Amino acid sequence: QVQLVESGGGVVQPERSLRLSCAGSGFSFTSYHIHWVRQAPGKGLEWVALIWSDGSRIHYVDSVKGRFTISRDNSKNTVYLEINSLRVEDTAVYYCARDFRGSLDHWGQGILVTVSS
Amino acid sequence: DVVMTQSPLSLPVTLGQPASISCKSSQSLLHGDGNTYLNWYQQRPGQSPRRLIYKVSDRDSGVPDRFSGSGSGTDFTLDISRVEAGDIGVYYCMQGTHWPYSFGPGTKLEIK
Repeated sequence: QVQLVESGGGVVQPERSLRLSCAGSGFSFTSYHIHWVRQAPGKGLEWVALIWSDGSRIHYVDSVKGRFTISRDNSKNTVYLEINSLRVEDTAVYYCARDFRGSLDHWGQGILVTVSS
Repeated sequence: DVVMTQSPLSLPVTLGQPASISCKSSQSLLHGDGNTYLNWYQQRPGQSPRRLIYKVSDRDSGVPDRFSGSGSGTDFTLDISRVEAGDIGVYYCMQGTHWPYSFGPGTKLEIK
């Protein structure tokens, strides 16, 4: 079955960096675009970034441009989200999700990133 | 960017009674390919979002037929014919027609 598993979260000090990973299995990973979506504590869902199936196109929400970098290694069936200059407001559960025709059809379990001194 | 709004933001319901959530977009969600990429997600407490409905009214496998989606253009609705205890959570609409995708603020369904 389709699985997406996030890893790499934790407690990080402000201004530090972190790399999240999203490992996919149970489907043809190289055929699908992958998104990152985050959810701050007690808040709603915020779309963050997208990388196309072949890595040829990338999109970010304006609020993270210049600090977040999405990439993928299709040989490892993994998408990454590198977050630099972490801010307290980046504290959230980060989900990766698979794109299928204008929809996010499968989601990971999420990984918590807490930015605190 | 497309702004999604939902109402109500909180919906107290009685078990066994119907519930309805409205979602509106700031632009038409009709894509040039003829499809309308409006999705509904359910997020139960402590869980990841789960897709219920895609392309306005197509139900995902395993989703009870108590859930139905309707609408067109900029106005959409999620209906639950008879609310059960397991339906409690937050419901989000999301548009996938225009980049970037965007979510509504969520509607919290709770038991009266």
